This record gives sequence, C-alpha cells and structure tokens, in this order.
Amino acid sequence: GAGVSQSPRYKVAKRGQDVALRCDPISGHVSLFWYQQALGQGPEFLTYFQNEAQLDKSGLPSDRFFAERPEGSVSTLKIQRTQQEDSAVYLCASSPSWPGTDTQYFGPGTRLTVL
Amino acid sequence: AQTVTQSQPEMSVQEAETVTLSCTYDTSENNYYLFWYKQPPSRQMILVIRQEAYKQQNATENRFSVNFQKAAKSFSLKISDSQLGDTAMYFCASDTGNQFYFGTGTSLTVIP
Repeated sequence: GAGVSQSPRYKVAKRGQDVALRCDPISGHVSLFWYQQALGQGPEFLTYFQNEAQLDKSGLPSDRFFAERPEGSVSTLKIQRTQQEDSAVYLCASSPSWPGTDTQYFGPGTRLTVL
Repeated sequence: AQTVTQSQPEMSVQEAETVTLSCTYDTSENNYYLFWYKQPPSRQMILVIRQEAYKQQNATENRFSVNFQKAAKSFSLKISDSQLGDTAMYFCASDTGNQFYFGTGTSLTVIP
C-alpha cells in the first residue's frame, strides 16, 4: 500500500501563529513517531504513539508542542505561538509493531519556516 | 543517556569503489535494533539496512553490509560497487524500544 504521507509539505508561518502538521501512517501500523530535524542535523525524537496512546512525549521541546492520534491512525502535531527556533523539518514515521522490534518507515516531512 | 556518533561529516568515493561509514553508539540495553537510513536531497528517509542486536551475523542487503561489533558498540556500513544514486546523507540510528536516537549524519558523494 501507500507509504507514510505528510501534509503540508511546506509551511510558512509568522512568528506567533499556530500551525498543525498532519501525518497519515501506513495503514495498520501500530506505532507512530514524530521527529524534528534541524538543517544539517539528524532527526531528534519528539513523541511516540502506540495506537491512540501517547506513551512518550519526552522529546517535545516546550508546552507549545502538542501531538494527538485520537483514533489510532492519523496524527497531528500542533505548535502554538510559533517561534523562529521552531523552523525545521518535521518527520513522521510509523512502524508495524512495538518500538525496538521493527523498522520505522518515514514520511517525506513537513518543512516549517517561521518568519 | 544513549547517543549515536557518526564521526565522518563528509565522505566521497569513486564510482564502483567501496566505502565504509562509521557509527558508534552507547546503550545500557541488551536488546535493540540498529539502522542505517539514507536521505537523498528529496529528504525522504529510506531504510538501507537494519541489524538486530541479539543476532551475531552481520546483516547484508545486496551492495550494503554492516560490520556489527556489539562489544565495541560499533556499527559501520560498507557500500560496495558505489553508484551515483548512492549520493545522499546517511544516518545511523538506534531503537531500544524506549529510546530512539539518530546520529548527525555522513554526507556521501559518489564521484563519476
């Protein structure tokens, strides 16, 4: 089937605006991950869902970041009152099984630019 | 804390030659997965190869193979018969089931 998709692919926001980034995982995948990738860096873990349960949000940089996966499929990463340091590519990945047991499959990312 | 270290920010290799990318990691876990991902300029992260830590045999996928040294916590990637399409950023990553870490990447350029 289709791979992981993310929308929008590009987002420009003015400082202080709220943004919502969507991730459609591979159908049937149990686990879903969000990563933040700054320019020239490797992805950094933000949060992880197992079905609809957010089991780890230790990587979220501030309380302005919020993620949800209410029905255990599509996930949304919301950033409130965006700041310039939030500019990055946000990657979503899904996995068919539990973490530590299988491969993560990545989407193309959403490039967020905060002006 | 677990870390993944890639000490080679940039590398180049002549087409058809062999190149090895280095990766070391640090973990107190006994069971975990290690991965090499490729990220071309289009930015889609693609799995190259994976290794389960409890397996002693090194993983291979066509022209790609790893040298997994569990005691040394080393996980290098060897690309044989390099092709122009191999030009990309390569990230080493670890997944212990509780923690997910990526290295800072190695930019590989294959020279015609």
